[in-house]
Amino acid sequence: AQSVTQLGSHVSVSEGALVLLRCNYSSSVPPYLFWYVQYPNQGLQLLLKYTTGATLVKGINGFEAEFKKSETSFHLTKPSAHMSDAAEYFCAVRRPTGNQFYFGTGTSLTVIP
Amino acid sequence: NAGVTQTPKFQVLKTGQSMTLQCAQDMNHNSMYWYRQDPGMGLRLIYYSASEGTTDKGEVPNGYNVSRLNKREFSLRLESAAPSQTSVYFCASKPGLAPGRDTQYFGPGTRLTVL
Repeated sequence: AQSVTQLGSHVSVSEGALVLLRCNYSSSVPPYLFWYVQYPNQGLQLLLKYTTGATLVKGINGFEAEFKKSETSFHLTKPSAHMSDAAEYFCAVRRPTGNQFYFGTGTSLTVIP
Repeated sequence: NAGVTQTPKFQVLKTGQSMTLQCAQDMNHNSMYWYRQDPGMGLRLIYYSASEGTTDKGEVPNGYNVSRLNKREFSLRLESAAPSQTSVYFCASKPGLAPGRDTQYFGPGTRLTVL
């Protein structure tokens, strides 16, 4: 069975500070990994994904994430937070041979001016 | 290109009423999904359709039915609504199964309240 754990349902950072959102997964085989962002009253939008190859992946809006198999983690980072980054962030996984996506419970990011 | 569209945007039902949520995509995607989003629980998969003509249950299918009407459209039906089905419902689609065709595109959501 797949599961996704996002540590910290709420994270606050100052504008210009490092953003770190944590995601750990549980899977019998290394899954495909995704980060999505949701702005208020909108649907989800893909930030980045890891399927195979380079373990450090870069996404939109300056975000990146690193797949660490030994730690079963896929943490999302951004060197310098911007006010426009305030949103809800979801980590998700999918088995390489499956069609179902499993989402974490989300982390709400607040950026303090 | 409208992407993924959902109707209605908002709906209030009384317990026991039925309704159908509509979803359509114009990207020629093979796979379509219905999720519900509840506070503190993230997104949970209700049903999905890997390709036209197929549907499968997700994590929380009880109380729902789906129809993949054609490649474009995937509807979700609540036969007898219950307050526990108060939620925001999202439809999503993706091109296919291969990694390069793996990105899900989400609709704007339907906010459903069951009284």
